Amino acid sequence: NAGVMQNPRHLVRRRGQEARLRCSPMKGHSHVYWYRQLPEEGLKFMVYLQKENIIDESGMPKERFSAEFPKEGPSILRIQQVVRGDSAAYFCASSRGTGGPGELFFGEGSRLTVL
Amino acid sequence: RKEVEQDPGPFNVPEGATVAFNCTYSNSASQSFFWYRQDCRKEPKLLMSVYSSGNEDGRFTAQLNRASQYISLLIRDSKLSDSATYLCVVNAAGGTSYGKLTFGQGTILTVHP
Repeated sequence: NAGVMQNPRHLVRRRGQEARLRCSPMKGHSHVYWYRQLPEEGLKFMVYLQKENIIDESGMPKERFSAEFPKEGPSILRIQQVVRGDSAAYFCASSRGTGGPGELFFGEGSRLTVL
Repeated sequence: RKEVEQDPGPFNVPEGATVAFNCTYSNSASQSFFWYRQDCRKEPKLLMSVYSSGNEDGRFTAQLNRASQYISLLIRDSKLSDSATYLCVVNAAGGTSYGKLTFGQGTILTVHP
């Protein structure tokens, strides 16, 4: 069984460009969470999505960041007009939604570097 | 004050040593507690859940003190493979947002021969 798949694993962008990070949850999982880990810091919750719905986006920056989880296809975290401070590891996690937090599985992360 | 605070370390211990990590959390409404492990440049992985009654998994023992809002992890007989960053994690949301976790900064452990 494939785990949570994220791509690209590494992404380099220049300031002002757009970054798109994709996450395919584990088979049978319909709940997706995005977290960001800045250098030397802990993971910070960004957004929680179910298919076609944003459930909780309380951790998303107010501007330039958006997320979606369409009916078909992966969840996408989109960062417009990237700045150097966006350089971080972005982790996606998925769950079935019927268990507890212990059933959250993380992908290997996408590392964004903004030049 | 950070929601979840950990001593960042690093802890450098010899193989076979016993090492303890501590963590405090600020939200008294927190409902679930965990220790995760994160290897360098890898994703975090669940090590164990933490219960008020305390729980043990092999060489690892976790304790929770709700009154003091304090969580601990004890590793006995350390192995080289235990070298990693240990993350104290709290879930305050409950309900349908149980995957909304609050992570501590992490405690770095290095076990040397």
